[in-house]
Amino acid sequence: EAQVTQNPRCLITVTGKKLTVTCSQNMNHEYMSWYRQDPGLGLRQIYYSMNVEVTDKGDVPEGYKVSRKEKRNFPLILESPSPNQTSLYFCASSSTTGIGYTFGSGTRLTVV
Amino acid sequence: QKEVEQDPGPLSVPEGAIVSLNCTYSNSAFQYFMWYRQYSRKGPELLMYTYSSGNKEDGRFTAQVDKSSKYISLFIRDSQPSDSATYLCAKGSGNQFYFGTGTSLTVIP
Repeated sequence: EAQVTQNPRCLITVTGKKLTVTCSQNMNHEYMSWYRQDPGLGLRQIYYSMNVEVTDKGDVPEGYKVSRKEKRNFPLILESPSPNQTSLYFCASSSTTGIGYTFGSGTRLTVV
Repeated sequence: QKEVEQDPGPLSVPEGAIVSLNCTYSNSAFQYFMWYRQYSRKGPELLMYTYSSGNKEDGRFTAQVDKSSKYISLFIRDSQPSDSATYLCAKGSGNQFYFGTGTSLTVIP
């Protein structure tokens, strides 16, 4: 089944404790992206990657890092999480010839 | 000005009603327009897309784009309780996408 898999689905952590949210896609898509979704603000792009070793900032990159060492994986790293990073996070992928994104099921992150 | 503006609702309708969801967009330099449906605790899934002005129909769903007025609409006929979700409009070109904030829809049995 074609899908984008995120882990964990839900995480509660404390301020300052580094964490990584993993994302993997099995569709051989070139393009991958991370979004956060907040009430009233909708989906906001954090980082995106056009292909392996090619990443760039989206609209809200502060406090986040990403890497793209393999085509299928695109982890999101929070080096020192803060409460304002409490949100619902989505990884998504698309192909250069397709339409739109395939989204993961989301990761609900709470930073206390 | 946001790239895509969407009325957040919430919208509540009785089962069987016709639902109209609307968005406006700025910047005409985008190739296609999409509607995503997002159920609670799930990721958005692509419902429909269209390249051009006019209507595109898929079962009970019709997507409409008016490029002259920069207006995107989704119509749902004979709405069902299973249509209860948040609907996001979006525009795209290549791998660049902009999303509306979503409209929450509840269809009451």
